[in-house]
Amino acid sequence: QVKLVESGGGVVQPGRSLRLSCTASGFNFGSYGFHWVRQAPGKGLEWLALIWFDGSNQFYADSVKGRFTLSRDNSKNSLSLEMASLSDDDTAVYYCARERRDLAIALLDYWGPGTLVTVSS
Amino acid sequence: QVTQSPSSLSASVGGRVTITCRASQNIGTFLNWYQQKPGEAPRPLIYAASNLQSGVPSRFSGSGSGTYFTLTINGLQPDDLATYYCQQSYRAPPLTFGGGTKVEIK
Repeated sequence: QVKLVESGGGVVQPGRSLRLSCTASGFNFGSYGFHWVRQAPGKGLEWLALIWFDGSNQFYADSVKGRFTLSRDNSKNSLSLEMASLSDDDTAVYYCARERRDLAIALLDYWGPGTLVTVSS
Repeated sequence: QVTQSPSSLSASVGGRVTITCRASQNIGTFLNWYQQKPGEAPRPLIYAASNLQSGVPSRFSGSGSGTYFTLTINGLQPDDLATYYCQQSYRAPPLTFGGGTKVEIK
């Protein structure tokens, strides 16, 4: 079955960097685009980034552009989200999600359970 | 930008629930709905405004186009306790989510 699992969350000091990973299984990873979405404690969902199926293009929300970098390794069925210059506002649960590929609309059809990032001194 | 209302509601088991999502511009039917149960990741319910995602119970339905959309739950069940989000993807990226509607059971 389709499975996504995020890892790499934890407590990090303001201004520091952190790398999150997302490992996938149960489907042809290299055929899909992936998104990252975050959710601050008690708040709603915020879209962060998209990477195309072949890694040729990445797109970012204005709130993280220039600080976050999304990459993928199709040989390892994995994604990496490199986060730099972290601040308190980046404290959230971070989800990776697969984009269903047979639609004209971007639907996130499978999500990982999320990994919590806490930015605190 | 998409705006959801209400931000929360309470309804009885077996009742009907309607959640509204308004877009700031005409987005056609580029609108999806998700359900997020407490402590869990979101899961898709409806895509392209009115299409039921595989495995979703038929008591969920979506309608609308342009700037006005609704998610309806006919015959609310205890398992429907959750927060519901709309998400637009017109000329995406970026994707944008509504603020969420928390559904409680009376």
